[in-house]
Amino acid sequence: EAGVAQSPRYKIIEKRQSVAFWCNPISGHATLYWYQQILGQGPKLLIQFQNNGVVDDSQLPKDRFSAERLKGVDSTLKIQPAKLEDSAVYLCASSLGSGMVTEAFFGQGTRLTVV
Amino acid sequence: KQEVTQIPAALSVPEGENLVLNCSFTDSAIYNLQWFRQDPGKGLTSLLLIQSSQREQTSGRLNASLDKSSGRSTLYIAASQPGDSATYLCAVEYGNKLVFGAGTILRVKS
Repeated sequence: EAGVAQSPRYKIIEKRQSVAFWCNPISGHATLYWYQQILGQGPKLLIQFQNNGVVDDSQLPKDRFSAERLKGVDSTLKIQPAKLEDSAVYLCASSLGSGMVTEAFFGQGTRLTVV
Repeated sequence: KQEVTQIPAALSVPEGENLVLNCSFTDSAIYNLQWFRQDPGKGLTSLLLIQSSQREQTSGRLNASLDKSSGRSTLYIAASQPGDSATYLCAVEYGNKLVFGAGTILRVKS
């Protein structure tokens, strides 16, 4: 079974530039998550999708971050414009869906460095 | 507020030692609790998932326990090996939302 795929693995940009990350969840997984993990901290949920609808985006900085999940499969996370404090690993995860006790499976992450 | 705390923040042990990692959570209305392993520069690998109705789960040298009433979970690693060196993260599920602790950095010395 293929895992959660993310790209790119690494990205270095200057502040005020824009960047986009891509995620392909495990086939059949209805729930998709984007997490931000700052060095030395645990992952923090940015946004959660159930199919192509947003379930929770309460911690997403909406003035600069956006995410979409068209057709309920792949997802993209965008930052525009980036700030120095956005430097982190961005993790995508998927699970079968809500209402069930299911495991979350994570991708390798995208390490973003803003200089 | 739903918070997850992990103690200790870092741990260094000699090879072969048995060890315990601790996780505590403030809101006991959990769906399940999951332990993950994270290697440097890598994503998270699921180790064990304990449903809210369960008390423990075992996988090889790993055993995780859950006490909902006291808001605690432990991850027990038997006969530790250098390959166990990694960051161990505890995550509590509330209504399909995972709340993570900051992790315990484990180093097993050969």
